[in-house]
Amino acid sequence: KNEVEQSPQNLTAQEGEFITINCSYSVGISALHWLQQHPGGGIVSLFMLSSGKKKHGRLIATINIQEKHSSLHITASHPRDSAVYICAVRPISSGSARQLTFGSGTQLTVLP
Amino acid sequence: IAGITQAPTSQILAAGRRMTLRCTQDMRHNAMYWYRQDLGLGLRLIHYSNTAGTTGKGEVPDGYSVSRANTDDFPLTLASAVPSQTSVYFCASSYSLTSGGNRNEQFFGPGTRLTVL
Repeated sequence: KNEVEQSPQNLTAQEGEFITINCSYSVGISALHWLQQHPGGGIVSLFMLSSGKKKHGRLIATINIQEKHSSLHITASHPRDSAVYICAVRPISSGSARQLTFGSGTQLTVLP
Repeated sequence: IAGITQAPTSQILAAGRRMTLRCTQDMRHNAMYWYRQDLGLGLRLIHYSNTAGTTGKGEVPDGYSVSRANTDDFPLTLASAVPSQTSVYFCASSYSLTSGGNRNEQFFGPGTRLTVL
């Protein structure tokens, strides 16, 4: 079983819809990251969370440490939001390396 | 240079050949990383460096080596490439490997698509 599970794997939405992508993990963590990978391949960091909620524009990320679960929400989705969204956690056990463990990503397609 | 760059963008390589993927950042970040991305497996850490002069092994280090002679450069070398090393390789950097907060945000290069025949 992967330490980081994302759902759904693929998601197709109509422009304007509210979108939720979920991330569950099985280990104790010090931080969780949400990343966006554009169709051209570039990867951008969206959020880094250790508790609570963060908001940036139309993007909202939440984390529940007790339930080992995080969600990424996109409000008023737009075709330019089409990308792969990747969840990554920093396990406490990674020690001085503080390595990230990545989920396999959620492919989001927003149709006009 | 602004940010983190990788070279080459893509490469086709015969099995058994030696190849070095280059990564350079101009953000004076202490920590640098090499990942490979394979379909269905997500990003996996190959090697990392928390500061110039030090390196460490990640999840999938076999067949790869790295060096960190200075802060800016972190080349990845495949001594004798094999077809299973066909992948997209991403270099990343962050301000500090060990400090918390936003200093652990990772910045990614554009990637190198490598095909080993």
